[in-house]
Amino acid sequence: EDKVVQSPLSLVVHEGDTVTLNCSYEVTNFRSLLWYKQEKKAPTFLFMLTSSGIEKKSGRLSSILDKKELSSILNITATQTGDSAIYLCAVEGRDDKIIFGKGTRLHILP
Amino acid sequence: EPEVTQTPSHQVTQMGQEVILRCVPISNHLYFYWYRQILGQKVEFLVSFYNNEISEKSEIFDDQFSVERPDGSNFTLKIRSTKLEDSAMYFCASSLYRDGKVTEAFFGQGTRLTVV
Repeated sequence: EDKVVQSPLSLVVHEGDTVTLNCSYEVTNFRSLLWYKQEKKAPTFLFMLTSSGIEKKSGRLSSILDKKELSSILNITATQTGDSAIYLCAVEGRDDKIIFGKGTRLHILP
Repeated sequence: EPEVTQTPSHQVTQMGQEVILRCVPISNHLYFYWYRQILGQKVEFLVSFYNNEISEKSEIFDDQFSVERPDGSNFTLKIRSTKLEDSAMYFCASSLYRDGKVTEAFFGQGTRLTVV
């Protein structure tokens, strides 16, 4: 059965800290891995990763995929209170199905 | 910036009633999805739709669910006879189909369905 596992489930850090969120997957016919940020309602797209070892960056956020280890990390440097959210990892597998992990709930203390 | 829009934002319905959740995907997108998120739980895939037919569906998407693209812009999810456990946030998403590949999905703001 296809699955996506994220860790940790919950993380509380102080503003300015750097955090690393993990995602591992077992998905048939992997096509891409996606990171989303969910605040109040709908998830908003962050990154799409298809190739191993190529880092994607957007401001203080970066992400990289390791296809050999079947995993990805999402890094956030110099965290701010506005980064508090649930971060969702999702993997596109066969037949265009997207499978989500349970998410990591990140809380940034001022 | 183009976005996926969903209506209504919140609907309360009695058990056994039919509901239709509406979505307007981004205009040049060709793949459409419905997901749901029961309060406090993970986002779950329901169904994907391409070329006017269901591309893939999960085990959650049983006979009480149906999807339709009644015109060129709307994409609807119908729940025929709602149950209490259908209470959830329902998200619509759409994506491009480009060079034989589905691109990243963009989500609407969701419809909160409460079944009483």
